[in-house]
Amino acid sequence: QVQLVQAGGEMKKPGASVKVSCKASGYTFINYFVHWVRQAPGQGLEWMGLINPRTGGTDYAPKFQGRVTMTRDTSINTAYMEVNRLTSDDTAVYYCAREGNWDRKLDYWGQGTLVTVSS
Amino acid sequence: AIQLTQSPSSLSASVEDRVTITCRASQGISSALAWYQQKPGKPPKLLISDASTLESGVPSRFSGSGSGTDFTLTISDLQPEDFATYYCQQFNTSPFTFGGGTKVEIK
Repeated sequence: QVQLVQAGGEMKKPGASVKVSCKASGYTFINYFVHWVRQAPGQGLEWMGLINPRTGGTDYAPKFQGRVTMTRDTSINTAYMEVNRLTSDDTAVYYCAREGNWDRKLDYWGQGTLVTVSS
Repeated sequence: AIQLTQSPSSLSASVEDRVTITCRASQGISSALAWYQQKPGKPPKLLISDASTLESGVPSRFSGSGSGTDFTLTISDLQPEDFATYYCQQFNTSPFTFGGGTKVEIK
């Protein structure tokens, strides 16, 4: 069965970086885009960007351009998202989700990784 | 970026009620809209894609309609497990923005 498994929570200090992982199983990893979406406590969903695991190509939301890097390792079917220069506003649950090639829907989601930024 | 405005932001309803949630786009997005349901502490669950295509396994009491700028999600016979927050997302143009969410609560 399709699964996107994310690592556990992270605690970071302001100014630090965090790298969140998303390990895919149950499908052909390179055939589906991986999107990243975050949700601050008590808030709505915010789209951050996506990576095409086949090519490594990325598309970032303008808000995160220059501060977020999405990568992948096709040998272990894992996508990563690194966020730099963290502030308390980055405290959120970070989700990965997959999209079939331009299917225009996120059909499977990871369970989320809570990143807490606090001094 | 395309903005999606959901209304209402919250509503109270009873079991067996018919509920309608609206999602309005700031510019035309054809039918490139998905709807998700989210319960506390869980990731979103896909309900509807391409504005009106019901995903496999989703109960038929859920339906979606619309194209262009105006979309609706309807729950025809609200069940206890439907109390949750609902989000729309557009896939017409990057960034693929979400609406602000609609919380459906028990009356």
